[in-house]
Amino acid sequence: DAKTTQPTSMDCAEGRAANLPCNHSTISGNEYVYWYRQIHSQGPQYIIHGLKNNETNEMASLIITEDRKSSTLILPHATLRDTAVYYCIVKIDSNYQLIWGAGTKLIIKP
Amino acid sequence: NAGVTQTPKFQVLKTGQSMTLQCAQDMNHEYMSWYRQDPGMGLRLIHYSVGAGITDQGEVPNGYNVSRSTTEDFPLRLLSAAPSQTSVYFCASSYSLPGDGYTFGSGTRLTVV
Repeated sequence: DAKTTQPTSMDCAEGRAANLPCNHSTISGNEYVYWYRQIHSQGPQYIIHGLKNNETNEMASLIITEDRKSSTLILPHATLRDTAVYYCIVKIDSNYQLIWGAGTKLIIKP
Repeated sequence: NAGVTQTPKFQVLKTGQSMTLQCAQDMNHEYMSWYRQDPGMGLRLIHYSVGAGITDQGEVPNGYNVSRSTTEDFPLRLLSAAPSQTSVYFCASSYSLPGDGYTFGSGTRLTVV
């Protein structure tokens, strides 16, 4: 089980902020939330991760609710090159191996 | 920076044949993993390694073997290929976990006929 729930697909206009939600209601206190994306059939690309605090890097921002049961990945100014499948992942074992769901297909429209 | 290099990029095998998918990283990463991805699905973990000489099974290990004799290399062996092993295979590595996440290779597309 992936332990995360994401919408199957989303659209966003180019230049606007893309907000991708993820539910992880059974997350444990020591489990991180990771976001990756996969453009076409390339290898997945790491975006960002967090435990309980909001995080920001050059690619995106991660907002985690106070109860940690859900999170949102924000791409502040989406471009056509951000069209990809976005995966929200919660690590589940002590060896930090990732369990992947089907992800959200994000389509950026001109 | 080569990152994670996978070879070959494409391969067609006949049922029952064996082969080795190669994975090499030049980032001195301790953690390495092999995943498979079937159409429309997320990745599933086959085997992983937390350092040279240490390997363990993931979610779908049957039909695959791995070894980790060096930090740099983590080959995946298909013992007797079956059509169910037709998939895209990704190798990934990471210096530390949870750290900065995994770096993935570009994948090997395997078809078993």
